[in-house]
Amino acid sequence: GAGVSQTPSNKVTEKGKYVELRCDPISGHTALYWYRQSLGQGPEFLIYFQGTGAADDSGLPNDRFFAVRPEGSVSTLKIQRTERGDSAVYLCASSSDRVGAGANVLTFGAGSRLTVL
Amino acid sequence: TQLLEQSPQFLSIQEGENLTVYCNSSSVFSSLQWYRQEPGEGPVLLVTVVTGGEVKKLKRLTFQFGDARKDSSLHITAAQPGDTGLYLCAGASNNNDMRFGAGTRLTVKP
Repeated sequence: GAGVSQTPSNKVTEKGKYVELRCDPISGHTALYWYRQSLGQGPEFLIYFQGTGAADDSGLPNDRFFAVRPEGSVSTLKIQRTERGDSAVYLCASSSDRVGAGANVLTFGAGSRLTVL
Repeated sequence: TQLLEQSPQFLSIQEGENLTVYCNSSSVFSSLQWYRQEPGEGPVLLVTVVTGGEVKKLKRLTFQFGDARKDSSLHITAAQPGDTGLYLCAGASNNNDMRFGAGTRLTVKP
């Protein structure tokens, strides 16, 4: 696609429920990143995929959070037993290659706003 | 604890003024990027700096990467209301992670 697409744009759920957030990256982008952004804060790193594999999942806050990218394109962030503290905007970004000295660009989606009541 | 510290956290100025915002870290980065984010949208890349001491200019914006590749600054000349937004710096390490600072929220009043 032309850009990074995230669905749903807004999700309201009750405490304890299960939530899935989807990211459709730019076609051909091998690197995919998930971030969480709370109000007034910068994006907090969650997980980074290179292809189908999670190259770094050190940012996932606990075992309630899990992400997959089975075919190396679309990714799903899964949150079990949601808590009020999980409320935030979840941002997805993709890049054509590894970000580093090669200075590739992260293209972000508009985010999925999650509200846990 | 933020890996990248940005200052100031908030900045409110009048149209036409100059400003500088800073991004500092104790870590060395292979590259550093500046993004601007508007409400309801994802961050959008402004610039990437790679070489220590590098200076890049983008119209009224001047970006500098520190010699040791640990810090960076963004200077805006003659700020305009359209410059209002959240300015984020992000550092890339050799393992390809990209970590962000908390951002500087800039308001330019007409």
